[in-house]
Amino acid sequence: NAGVTQTPKFQVLKTGQSMTLQCAQDMNHEYMSWYRQDPGMGLRLIHYSVGAGITDQGEVPNGYNVSRSTTEDFPLRLLSAAPSQTSVYFCASSPRVNQPQHFGDGTRLSIL
Amino acid sequence: GDSVTQMEGPVTLSEEAFLTINCTYTATGYPSLFWYVQYPGEGLQLLLKATKADDKGSNKGFEATYRKETTSFHLEKGSVQVSDSAVYFCALSDLGQGGKLIFGQGTELSVKP
Repeated sequence: NAGVTQTPKFQVLKTGQSMTLQCAQDMNHEYMSWYRQDPGMGLRLIHYSVGAGITDQGEVPNGYNVSRSTTEDFPLRLLSAAPSQTSVYFCASSPRVNQPQHFGDGTRLSIL
Repeated sequence: GDSVTQMEGPVTLSEEAFLTINCTYTATGYPSLFWYVQYPGEGLQLLLKATKADDKGSNKGFEATYRKETTSFHLEKGSVQVSDSAVYFCALSDLGQGGKLIFGQGTELSVKP
């Protein structure tokens, strides 16, 4: 029973590099989302998707892109990494938008 | 816009002590309210929820009551254990604002034997 799987668990990048954080869920959930967690700030929504082919911006979308070509996968792309993007990133999913979300274990990302 | 405010941590308690973590919210509609827990090195897990005024959510000895008159959803537990040490997040989801989860800043709880 995998739930929400995030890869990688840890990553170190240099400023200006690009990378993709992977997120996959096996629960056939329509709603998926990406958050970043920073000390003292809780979780802030980056991007979300209410179904395959549909994505929208959250509270802090700048510097990130997403796509949702399948129900299962929702990758997050950093276009040109900046030190301000050092954070822990969580992917989550739920059957519908206002239902309790299931979280992955997170990706710890450091930008040097 | 909608927002959630939690009491600041860290909160340090002795085992078997009573726990209260305060949470208040601001919302334009009638949100659903949630408490999530994050154990060290893990993602968030749903602890309990309430979907309308006066509902009480409960799980693993934790309780919280949806108080519309005071816009609050305080988390309580009568006797904490060392294993309850974690970060606790209060959150709301307001369908009138798109239904996205809005989190408080989190409260770290440390329980000492």
